[in-house]
Amino acid sequence: DGGITQSPKYLFRKEGQNVTLSCEQNLNHDAMYWYRQDPGQGLRLIYYSHIVNDFQKGDIAEGYSVSREKKESFPLTVTSAQKNPTAFYLCASSKPGRMNTEAFFGQGTRLTVV
Amino acid sequence: GQQVMQIPQYQHVQEGEDFTTYCNSSTTLSNIQWYKQRPGGHPVFLIQLVKSGEVKKQKRLTFQFGEAKKNSSLHITATQTTDVGTYFCAGRNNAGNMLTFGGGTRLMVKP
Repeated sequence: DGGITQSPKYLFRKEGQNVTLSCEQNLNHDAMYWYRQDPGQGLRLIYYSHIVNDFQKGDIAEGYSVSREKKESFPLTVTSAQKNPTAFYLCASSKPGRMNTEAFFGQGTRLTVV
Repeated sequence: GQQVMQIPQYQHVQEGEDFTTYCNSSTTLSNIQWYKQRPGGHPVFLIQLVKSGEVKKQKRLTFQFGEAKKNSSLHITATQTTDVGTYFCAGRNNAGNMLTFGGGTRLMVKP
């Protein structure tokens, strides 16, 4: 079954702790994205990557880090520098280019700081 | 950078009423995509528009892409409770390497 998988579904973090959210896709997509969604709000881009070993900051990258060592994987680390990390995190992937480039989203990870 | 604005942010309608959400980009787009996110779920792709002035229909949903390829709309005829959710537009730039989402319109339908 082709798709994009995020884990865990729910994550609790203590203040001052780094946590890593997993995102794996077997769609052979070059582009991968991380978004943050706060309750009742839209999608804000954290980081994106169009190719292995390359990634770019989005609109709200501060306090987050990513890596793209493999095409299939784009993990997001929420560092202790992120002051308000409680949110719903969505990973997406897509083909590059202009046609048939819809984004496929994972089920999301709900992160709560306790 | 490219910005995509979407209005309204929220819309309450009575079941059976029509609903429209509008999307405007600061730059010309190569295509516009629409997604639906059900409460508690993740965004799911609905449709992509590519041509200037294009109109596409999916049952009660009508999607339009403006002549200048900078704006788009989604119209739902005779809303049903199953239409509840947040509708996002997303514009892809001409280089094809950026997909920028609008802020979404949250639709609530009263039965």
